[in-house]
Amino acid sequence: DAKTTQPTSMDCAEGRAANLPCNHSTISGNEYVYWYRQIHSQGPQYIIHGLKNNETNEMASLIITEDRKSSTLILPHATLRDTAVYYCIVPNRDDKIIFGKGTRLHILP
Amino acid sequence: ETGVTQSPTHLIKTRGQQVTLRCSSQSGHNTVSWYQQALGQGPQFIFQYYREEENGRGNFPPRFSGLQFPNYSSELNVNALELDDSALYLCASRSDRRSYEQYFGPGTRLTVT
Repeated sequence: DAKTTQPTSMDCAEGRAANLPCNHSTISGNEYVYWYRQIHSQGPQYIIHGLKNNETNEMASLIITEDRKSSTLILPHATLRDTAVYYCIVPNRDDKIIFGKGTRLHILP
Repeated sequence: ETGVTQSPTHLIKTRGQQVTLRCSSQSGHNTVSWYQQALGQGPQFIFQYYREEENGRGNFPPRFSGLQFPNYSSELNVNALELDDSALYLCASRSDRRSYEQYFGPGTRLTVT
């Protein structure tokens, strides 16, 4: 079962930063937070992951609160191609990666 | 580096039939997971294979079974197909079961009539 909660949907204007929140209040000390996204009719795509420090790669930035109970995925300059469902995942200790319902992000022109 | 591939792309079967879906994992990846995704839903975990053995299973009946081969490619078999089995079936591979960077194939769209 997913251990995260996310808003069902969000809108963001093209060119602006998209900030997608995720709550993972039951996360334990050595569990990572992973983000994936799924563009319509494609398989999910890995974006980024982190433990407690903020992380950045060519796709996005991940900000994790100091208590690690929540995080925010940031797409710095959203484009129409970023329209997708974004999943925040804390993998189970038995190594299974379970997807929740995610956040449907609409980028508005 | 070759990505994850799946075959066939689309498939139509009749209720009660059996189906086999195939997945070729990314080079060097020894862990493969299968997911079922119904329209408008998130991917549902079916099971995972690590070095040819089942290494975790979701809430799916025994008529969903799988195999992983020595080259780490994998099959998903579904017996006694039901209408509700109509879905997109996704395969994902990763370098090891302790790594959670999964790479997904494009999926197989199964329609059961």
